[in-house]
Parts: sequence; C-alpha cells; structure tokens
Amino acid sequence: NAGVMQNPRHLVRRRGQEARLRCSPMKGHSHVYWYRQLPEEGLKFMVYLQKENIIDESGMPKERFSAEFPKEGPSILRIQQVVRGDSAAYFCASSGAGNQPQHFGDGTRLSIL
Amino acid sequence: AQSVTQLDSQVPVFEEAPVELRCNYSSSVSVYLFWYVQYPNQGLQLLLKYLSGSTLVESINGFEAEFNKSQTSFHLRKPSVHISDTAEYFCAVTITQGAQKLVFGQGTRLTINP
Repeated sequence: NAGVMQNPRHLVRRRGQEARLRCSPMKGHSHVYWYRQLPEEGLKFMVYLQKENIIDESGMPKERFSAEFPKEGPSILRIQQVVRGDSAAYFCASSGAGNQPQHFGDGTRLSIL
Repeated sequence: AQSVTQLDSQVPVFEEAPVELRCNYSSSVSVYLFWYVQYPNQGLQLLLKYLSGSTLVESINGFEAEFNKSQTSFHLRKPSVHISDTAEYFCAVTITQGAQKLVFGQGTRLTINP
C-alpha cells in the first residue's frame, strides 16, 4: 500500500548542473502537485498536472523550471542550471478525482553547492 | 486570491496542557480547509479537513478544529498534548471549484516540554 513515492530523498548539485526530481503518485491517483518549501517557510504551490497535461503552472518560476507527468512513469520536476537559491525541500502530492485530499510524499531535499 | 495566516510561528506548551493553534484565511469564494502535520524530515500528513457539514471536525489522535465562517478561522485545538505531538502544523485552503492547489500558511512549530 505504497503512498506517494519521491526520489531521491536528498540531492546535491553544483551550481549550473541539472536537477531531476521524481514523483510516483499513490495508486489510483491521476492528479499530481509539486510544492516547494524554503527554509523556515510554508509550502508554496508550483504546478498541478494530470496525465500528459499541465493544468496550472502559476507557481513555477518562468525560467529553468519545467514539469511533466507522462502517460507512463513518474512525474518529473526538472531544474536546469541550478543556483544556490534553488536549495529547498520539494514535495509532491497526489489526489484522486474531484476535491479529494492531497497526500504528500516525504520530499526531496535539494542542496546546491 | 486566497491567503492563510497562522498567527503564531512557535507555540511551546507543557505536556498534558491544552493547546490552540490559530489559523485565519482570506477568500472571496467558498473554500475547503485542512490541517497538515509535518514531523522532522518527513512529508506532510493530513490531520483533518473541513469540506462541508458539521463545522467541528476531529482527528483520530485527539485534535479538533472548528470552521468559523464569520471569523474566517479554522483554529486547531487539543485538550491535552503529548510529547509525540511535537511537530510543525500547517493550515491550508483550496477553493471548492476549479483549481485544486493548496495555499498554505507559514506553519506553527509546536514544542511540547515535559
């Protein structure tokens, strides 16, 4: 009875490298959300996806960040040319149809050297 | 747009004492309300939710929250806390129609002292 699975749990990158964060939703869930938690702050919405579609990306930075949720496989949050300010915990959540509560993964903690 | 304010960033209490974590929201449309708990180095776990019906909702571990529409509040309470309740608590809202993104408050760190 796996919940939302995120990997890796910890990711270290040097400035200028690419970071790829993966999220497998709970079984039966077709809605995926990505949130970012900066130190000492609450979670901020980034993007909401359904299979093969981006529904709402109003929280995504305009450059370097992208997300996908392909027909097969996990959702991917991709950060190109990372900078120190990208250091944060990135959480994925999934839900079923309608206004079902979102269930969260344990997050990926991204550190930029 | 919706916003959530958690008035206390930190709340220290003694074990077995009562606690209230405050949450106020702002929205021009109907909302659903949630409390999530985050233990160190973990993701968020849903504690309780208000979708409709009774304005008082309860969790399985003794927490309760009351939706007060006139005061736009959804405060979280527990009559007697345990050491294991030490965690960060987040209040969140989402609108009832359309986009389902959660808008979170800044969080309240609850520390239980023996």
